[in-house]
Amino acid sequence: EAGVAQSPRYKIIEKRQSVAFWCNPISGHATLYWYQQILGQGPKLLIQFQNNGVVDDSQLPKDRFSAERLKGVDSTLKIQPAKLEDSAVYLCASSLAPLQRGYYEQYFGPGTRLTVT
Amino acid sequence: QKEVEQNSGPLSVPEGAIASLNCTYSDRGSQSFFWYRQYSGKSPELIMFIYSNGDKEDGRFTAQLNKASQYVSLLIRDSQPSDSATYLCAVVSTGNQFYFGTGTSLTVIP
Repeated sequence: EAGVAQSPRYKIIEKRQSVAFWCNPISGHATLYWYQQILGQGPKLLIQFQNNGVVDDSQLPKDRFSAERLKGVDSTLKIQPAKLEDSAVYLCASSLAPLQRGYYEQYFGPGTRLTVT
Repeated sequence: QKEVEQNSGPLSVPEGAIASLNCTYSDRGSQSFFWYRQYSGKSPELIMFIYSNGDKEDGRFTAQLNKASQYVSLLIRDSQPSDSATYLCAVVSTGNQFYFGTGTSLTVIP
């Protein structure tokens, strides 16, 4: 079974530029998550999709971040314009189980390391 | 107050010893609890999940949950150098939001 794919793996941009990340979840996984992990911290959930609908985006800085999941499969996360504090690893994860009590095993992709200079 | 709190460590234990990792959470209504392991430069991987009070064992790992105290722990028996990593506690809140702690760094000394 192929895992969660992400690209690019690394990206360096200057502040105020824009950047986009792509994620392809495990086939059949209905739930997709984007996390931001700043060095030395735990992952912070930015947005959660159930199929192509947004379940939770309460921690997404909507003035500069946007995300979409067309057709309930692939997803893109965009930052425009980037700030220095956006430097982090952006992790995509997917889950087989829809929202329900109990088990939410999330499978993580390799992440995209973003450096904003 | 953070949703999930962990001691950042570092925690050092000798090879063969028991490593004890602790986590507290603020939302009393939380129902699902997870432990992830993250090696340096890698993505988190699930070790265990628990959602009933008490202990749950899987090989060398035991997760313990005490909802009254809002406390969840992970014990690693017979610690190996390959267990050296950051261990992340994660909780699903009553709003079905997923929160990670900051992680505890564990070093197992040969």
